[in-house]
Amino acid sequence: AQSVTQLGSHVSVSEGALVLLRCNYSSSVPPYLFWYVQYPNQGLQLLLKYTSAATLVKGINGFEAEFKKSETSFHLTKPSAHMSDAAEYFCAVRTPGNEKLTFGTGTRLTIIP
Amino acid sequence: DAGVIQSPRHEVTEMGQEVTLRCKPISGHNSLFWYRQTMMRGLELLIYFNNNVPIDDSGMPEDRFSAKMPNASFSTLKIQPSEPRDSAVYFCASRYGQATNIAQHFGDGTRLSIL
Repeated sequence: AQSVTQLGSHVSVSEGALVLLRCNYSSSVPPYLFWYVQYPNQGLQLLLKYTSAATLVKGINGFEAEFKKSETSFHLTKPSAHMSDAAEYFCAVRTPGNEKLTFGTGTRLTIIP
Repeated sequence: DAGVIQSPRHEVTEMGQEVTLRCKPISGHNSLFWYRQTMMRGLELLIYFNNNVPIDDSGMPEDRFSAKMPNASFSTLKIQPSEPRDSAVYFCASRYGQATNIAQHFGDGTRLSIL
């Protein structure tokens, strides 16, 4: 079975501050992990993905995530928040042989001016 | 390049009416997914197709829901009869290939309201 848990349904950070969105996964086999972003009234857009090549993955818009097997985590970070980062962020997992992509419940990021 | 195209973007209809949601996947993509998003249940996979063939429809909530993919460039999700609890945002996503590391591309969704 595969699952992800996103800690914190709402996160607020000040503009220019560090963004940290947490995601922990559960999988019996090595997983592939994804972060998606959803802006209001839009679909999900891929931010980045981990596919077992490098543990530190860089994505679009200055985001990056680090795969830590020992902690079963794949937290999303950005050094300096921008107002345009306000959105909902979803972590997702997929395992080999499983067609399904399992999403977390999402974290709504608010940027404080 | 055109992304996944869904229509309509918004649909408001009365309970009992038939609702048809449409999706055009990205050209060349051979897997298509239908999701439903609600506040209570988050993102749920309803059904997915590989090469136009339905592979897993275990997420379809009831017999009132049906999905078809008559060709590689078009899919429909139908609800008949519709009920207020079907109100949600419905997303279509497509993907090329079946390798585990390939990401899905999402449309902008159809916001469905059943009165």
